[in-house]
Amino acid sequence: SAVISQKPSRDICQRGTSLTIQCQVDSQVTMMFWYRQQPGQSLTLIATANQGSEATYESGFVIDKFPISRPNLTFSTLTVSNMSPEDSSIYLCSVDQFFGPGTRLTVL
Amino acid sequence: GENVEQHPSTLSVQEGDSAVIKCTYSDSASNYFPWYKQELGKRPQLIIDIRSNVGEKKDQRIAVTLNKTAKHFSLHITETQPEDSAVYFCAATYTGRRALTFGSGTRLQVQP
Repeated sequence: SAVISQKPSRDICQRGTSLTIQCQVDSQVTMMFWYRQQPGQSLTLIATANQGSEATYESGFVIDKFPISRPNLTFSTLTVSNMSPEDSSIYLCSVDQFFGPGTRLTVL
Repeated sequence: GENVEQHPSTLSVQEGDSAVIKCTYSDSASNYFPWYKQELGKRPQLIIDIRSNVGEKKDQRIAVTLNKTAKHFSLHITETQPEDSAVYFCAATYTGRRALTFGSGTRLQVQP
């Protein structure tokens, strides 16, 4: 299985600011996925990131709020923009059925 | 789109007993069903999965069964141990989509 790393592992941010989360995979992959896990909840897909094309967003998630980059086959970023306390969650990068360690975001 | 329902939300068993967690799915196109264990503060860890061409799969104390007709699948843990205590998630997807739809999770507590 692919080895997936994420940075940062956690962050505390102020309302109205943005945070970019990085995801690195140790092998080339076609599709990468971004999920959100709100406190005490299950995982919800935010978007699918394909290299060379626009990300595909799930219902309830929009590009202006969660812009995604996929510059090559081993890397992707997710930005959480104009943050509010409701964005406090764990954000997880995924390749197929495997997950990165997650980024724990707290918005004050 | 796909909808996955998971029951129960919490489950408490005595050490050595069996635990069963059940999930139903809505999309008949779904053909891959993984199960995850998530310990506090950690990422979801894949513990077992099953594809729709198989009715049952076993790995030591863990087994998963799939009923395609009824669109439900279950996780069975035998001889439970305190270290089995965690939140368990079922999920579903199909070839070509690959993104997962998750159930709501089951908090399993194994009492020593």
